[in-house]
Amino acid sequence: QPVMTQSSSASASLGSSVKLTCTLSSGHSSYIIAWHQQQPGKAPRFLMKLEGSGNYNKGSGVPDRFSGSSSGADRYLTISNLQSEDEADYYCETWDSNTRVFGGGTKLTVL
Amino acid sequence: EVQLVESGGGLVQPGGSLRLSCAASGFTFISYSMNWVRQAPGKGLEWVSYISSSGSTIYYADSVKGRFTISRDNAKNSLYLQMNSLRAEDTAVYYCARDRYGDYMVDSWGQGSLVTVSS
Repeated sequence: QPVMTQSSSASASLGSSVKLTCTLSSGHSSYIIAWHQQQPGKAPRFLMKLEGSGNYNKGSGVPDRFSGSSSGADRYLTISNLQSEDEADYYCETWDSNTRVFGGGTKLTVL
Repeated sequence: EVQLVESGGGLVQPGGSLRLSCAASGFTFISYSMNWVRQAPGKGLEWVSYISSSGSTIYYADSVKGRFTISRDNAKNSLYLQMNSLRAEDTAVYYCARDRYGDYMVDSWGQGSLVTVSS
């Protein structure tokens, strides 16, 4: 089954941009993933579906500041014009046959 | 508006049982596959189980296989998780989660229900 690797933490300044990475394991570089955001004390929220081609489809109400891209086995989530409410944990998700996999999550701190 | 409301969580002793429910509204429940995803305190997300829209296809994570049973009642717009032989490591917030239509990925989450396994 695929393994999804995320950095445990990231930080960026208010108003700047940040690019979070989710890396798929060998043999799974073409996989489609989803990005989810979990603000402190809240349930996760679906952000987008992201394909290996770099095409993405965002969930309802997700701000334009959020975008996705891909390169090989890497799937990226870029957040522009960072706001304080973007401080959250970000998880990637994929699936393979009869299992669903989540990455370990990246904790984003907005400075 | 999609709403997923979990209930049934609580404190249970090791070896005990608990049944979680998820009431769905705001969408055509019978058309969507559903999941349970859990999150241990201070940890990341862990997928638990999947059920297809008709209920004919079911999958489990290895960590719960043989102990947990997922089911749904499309007439009642409800999803269930029967949890038996509970262990301390099953302590977590359990989320009811809807799959995106036609995809194998979650696009809607409930608010979660806390299950604590402790003596």
